[in-house]
Amino acid sequence: NAGVTQTPKFQVLKTGQSMTLQCAQDMNHEYMSWYRQDPGMGLRLIHYSVGAGITDQGEVPNGYNVSRSTTEDFPLRLLSAAPSQTSVYFCASSTGLAAYEQYFGPGTRLTVT
Amino acid sequence: DAKTTQPNSMESNEEEPVHLPCNHSTISGTDYIHWYRQLPSQGPEYVIHGLTSNVNNRMASLAIAEDRKSSTLILHRATLRDAAVYYCILNSSAGNNRKLIWGLGTSLAVNP
Repeated sequence: NAGVTQTPKFQVLKTGQSMTLQCAQDMNHEYMSWYRQDPGMGLRLIHYSVGAGITDQGEVPNGYNVSRSTTEDFPLRLLSAAPSQTSVYFCASSTGLAAYEQYFGPGTRLTVT
Repeated sequence: DAKTTQPNSMESNEEEPVHLPCNHSTISGTDYIHWYRQLPSQGPEYVIHGLTSNVNNRMASLAIAEDRKSSTLILHRATLRDAAVYYCILNSSAGNNRKLIWGLGTSLAVNP
């Protein structure tokens, strides 16, 4: 199993540009989440999904959209990038949530200039 | 949302046990206690989790206080590869609460 994969590893955007961060898992996990990690702050939940076709907002959802058309994929879309979205983004998946371990991808380092 | 409190940093010597504390005084009955660690430039990695009873696995042990308001992650013999940031988080099974609060964790340094 490849586990959780994320692409790209690095990305530089100009303010106002849009892009999609890709996340895929091959473990047939129902739950998938997107987090961002900023210096001096813990991981913050952006959006999550409890299964195909079902998504919901986390702690910091503004400026981001998600969809879950398949169990395997959970892309994160930045509609109009802002410098405040400069961060490291992690995707995670798990069989369940509360009583199960989450598997994290390697992260995408995004810089918005 | 229940929060956790951890020391900012700790230091240990190689091959000695390490006890990493976590306070979670507002924990609810449905909150699982999870520990993750993050090595430099990597995504977080699951370490262990528990609800009420102490737990052991190949990586570590988790000791949970009887009132569940605190817990301790125990690394039995620290190695240099255990140098990482350790996060204690609460993971609720109640309803659709998905607002997980991670905090800043404890940065563990391991001396050779």
